[in-house]
Formats: sequence, structure tokens, C-alpha cells
Amino acid sequence: DSGVTQTPKHLITATGQRVTLRCSPRSGDLSVYWYQQSLDQGLQFLIQYYNGEERAKGNILERFSAQQFPDLHSELNLSSLELGDSALYFCASSDWGREAEAFFGQGTRLTVV
Amino acid sequence: AQKITQTQPGMFVQEKEAVTLDCTYDTSDPSYGLFWYKQPSSGEMIFLIYQGSYDQQNATEGRYSLNFQKARKSANLVISASQLGDSAMYFCAMREGYTGNQFYFGTGTSLTVIP
Repeated sequence: DSGVTQTPKHLITATGQRVTLRCSPRSGDLSVYWYQQSLDQGLQFLIQYYNGEERAKGNILERFSAQQFPDLHSELNLSSLELGDSALYFCASSDWGREAEAFFGQGTRLTVV
Repeated sequence: AQKITQTQPGMFVQEKEAVTLDCTYDTSDPSYGLFWYKQPSSGEMIFLIYQGSYDQQNATEGRYSLNFQKARKSANLVISASQLGDSAMYFCAMREGYTGNQFYFGTGTSLTVIP
């Protein structure tokens, strides 16, 4: 158990809908990362938050947004869903510093039908 | 240019043998960290081993060791005495800078351990 909790584990929704993925980081970790893993794109970094503030942005679509709350949990909001958004969405957390590995949650498997 | 390159999409190894998974990286930052993660078929990402750019010795964690060749910008993972449970996808990753932000991941290598 990595200590990072993601809910829900599975999500099936229709095109055009909006969903929210939730992540609780490991105790004490201030950094939260969101990744999308799909068969054709591999692991793509979406966005990082550190102590409530956005730190880095990767290949995140405008239809997607995220935030980190004062209790450090984070939510990834995906709207106007398309079939191509079907993927495994990982949340990871880490301490600060280059040597700090990221601990990953179990992921949320999103299927858009 | 790709930050992390894993050139072996799939590998097979006999149980109890050693196997090397290749990883090369690209960065101009003198300070960086290199990581290997394992992803079994169940989907979770499991941290295996870390190597810092200033570390003089190769990292080792149990049956895992990282063959770090800085001049060649390679960070190969060596798994000794392979076990059936080692069958999984393996990802090489990098963070740049002392307060590095995102992790850059390679495309992964699928390892199958044959009994």
C-alpha cells in the first residue's frame, strides 16, 4: 500500500459528461501529480500541485482542470468527455526535492462510452 | 527529443536468471534523479529504485540494481534471480533539478519471466 488513495477505482460514463477524480496523498506529502496512462500515449504528465498551488502543467487539455484543497487532497475534473479520454488516471504524491520518489495511487480507470 | 528512452518493448527471461532493462535519458541539467517503477497487470505503479545524478555508487535495492553510466546517459535496471512475480511492465523515469517538478516516463518494457 503506497499510502495514496484514489477514488473511484472504476468509472464508466457517457460522452459529453463530466466526472471528478479524487486523490488523497500520502501523509506529509505536499506535492500531488496527476498522470494519464493510455495505450497510445503512454504515461503523460498532466499537472502538479504543491501545497495548494499549481506548480507545473503538462499535456493537460483545456477540458480538464484540477485543484488541491487545504487538507491537501486533490481533484481532477474532466468535462465534455470524449471516447479518447478513456484511460487510467494516476495520482502520485511526493515530498519536495529531486530525490523524492513519487508514490502512486492505484489509479482510476475511466471508460467513456 | 525524448527525455527517457526505453528501446525494449518486450523482454523474456528464464526464472532465476538475471535480466537487464535498458534506459537512456536526455537532460542538460546537472542535477537530476532517475527512478524505476514496476506496473503489474493489476495496474498499480510500484517504486523500485532511485539513483541521484551525484551519487558515486550504483543504487541497489534487494534484487534490483541500477547500472548508472553518467557519460553515456544510461540508467539500466538489473533484476537478479528473476521470479515469476517479476512479470510486469517496467518504467524508467527522471526528475530534473533539485526541486524537480514532473516525472518524465519512458514507454516501458514488458518483462515476462518464463518458468
